[in-house]
Amino acid sequence: QSALTQPRSVSASPGQSVTIACTGTSSDVGAYNYVSWYQQYPGKAPKLMIYDVSKRPSGVPDRFSGSKSGNTASLTISGLQAEDEADYYCCSYAGSYTVVFGGGTELTVL
Amino acid sequence: QVQLQESGPGLVRPSQTLSLTCTVSGGSISSGNHYWTWIRQPAGKGLEYIGRIHDSGSTNYNSSLKSRVAISVDTSKNQFSLTLSSVTAADTAVYFCVRAAAGPISNWFDPWGQGSLVTVSS
Repeated sequence: QSALTQPRSVSASPGQSVTIACTGTSSDVGAYNYVSWYQQYPGKAPKLMIYDVSKRPSGVPDRFSGSKSGNTASLTISGLQAEDEADYYCCSYAGSYTVVFGGGTELTVL
Repeated sequence: QVQLQESGPGLVRPSQTLSLTCTVSGGSISSGNHYWTWIRQPAGKGLEYIGRIHDSGSTNYNSSLKSRVAISVDTSKNQFSLTLSSVTAADTAVYFCVRAAAGPISNWFDPWGQGSLVTVSS
């Protein structure tokens, strides 16, 4: 499977909203409502932020939200805070009990 | 809560076999119908799914690595392990062990181990 496509970087100012897109195909993102998102700080393990397209695990602020349209999933962070500066990865079920990740997006809080 | 910890050699010679073990604490590897997975990340790059195992021994692998990878489980030790044969420099990465979502799909991953850097070099 090919990696999902994410912008290499995005940036926004504190308090603003930012959306990170994750584009796949009709065999992964478009086929299943099984998209998840991970936040990763440098040198740390990823942390689950969104699963099943739009569900938030306990403890994740409601500033984080997920959605999907066709072959593209999106992560939106509203009320941006300095602590949100990190790398974000999307992931989609791709059938045959395997998943595919995006290449990652570096979020800069200006 | 469940915690995972990787262990194993940090340096592997080219053409040799990489072996890592993940120890699960705070819960049984046999409870909750979870799959247990390995995911890797080369320096400065994205995440790559390697494969998964259920406590029953059922496995699934990334097709791009399938010919070289094996994941096993030892329920008595609450551990699961990864072996990757015929390694090259391209296998140099941080290797994470992770619990996958309960159920057959394993479409999300939480929690993650801290990661173990494996360098392939002579």
